[in-house]
Amino acid sequence: ELKVEQNPLFLSMQEGKNYTIYCNYSTTSDRLYWYRQDPGKSLESLFVLLSNGAVKQEGRLMASLDTKARLSTLHITAAVHDLSATYFCAVTRNEKLTFGTGTRLTIIP
Amino acid sequence: DTGVSQDPRHKITKRGQNVTFRCDPISEHNRLYWYRQTLGQGPEFLTYFQNEAQLEKSRLLSDRFSAERPKGSFSTLEIQRTEQGDSAMYLCASSLRPGKGANVLTFGAGSRLTVL
Repeated sequence: ELKVEQNPLFLSMQEGKNYTIYCNYSTTSDRLYWYRQDPGKSLESLFVLLSNGAVKQEGRLMASLDTKARLSTLHITAAVHDLSATYFCAVTRNEKLTFGTGTRLTIIP
Repeated sequence: DTGVSQDPRHKITKRGQNVTFRCDPISEHNRLYWYRQTLGQGPEFLTYFQNEAQLEKSRLLSDRFSAERPKGSFSTLEIQRTEQGDSAMYLCASSLRPGKGANVLTFGAGSRLTVL
């Protein structure tokens, strides 16, 4: 059974600081996704990582993938309040997504 | 195209009643997925369709749950004899059939079910 774990589960960051969210998964997969979810809203796709060593960046967020270690990271640079949300990683196996439990990120002034 | 639409957005029902949710996917997407999300958890896979064919149903899914996609366009998810444990957000997502590309799932806003 595919398991996806994220840490930390909760993260409070000061504005302007850097931090990293980690996503580990238990079996091989061909795609890894990062989604964002605001309270009471649906999920918004951020990144898709397709191969070992893949790196994607959008604004203050950067995602990377190490398929050998079965690890993805989401790095936040110089956090701003607008980044407060819950971030999920998800991994495909047998053509369906399995999600992690999410990291609830709060950016404080 | 306005994305993935779900209806109703909120449903409150009494235990034992039946409820039905509808999902209209992005028109050119032939894959449609149903997920369930409870508070503080990630979405949990329920079932998915390729056009009108239901390709997989979660083993964790009770027989009280049934989904259809009769014409390969919109889909319905019905829950019979609801229980309090069914209270959750029911999310629908659609995508193109995966090939060599990213196959990103686009999610709807969800249907929140509260069973009293």
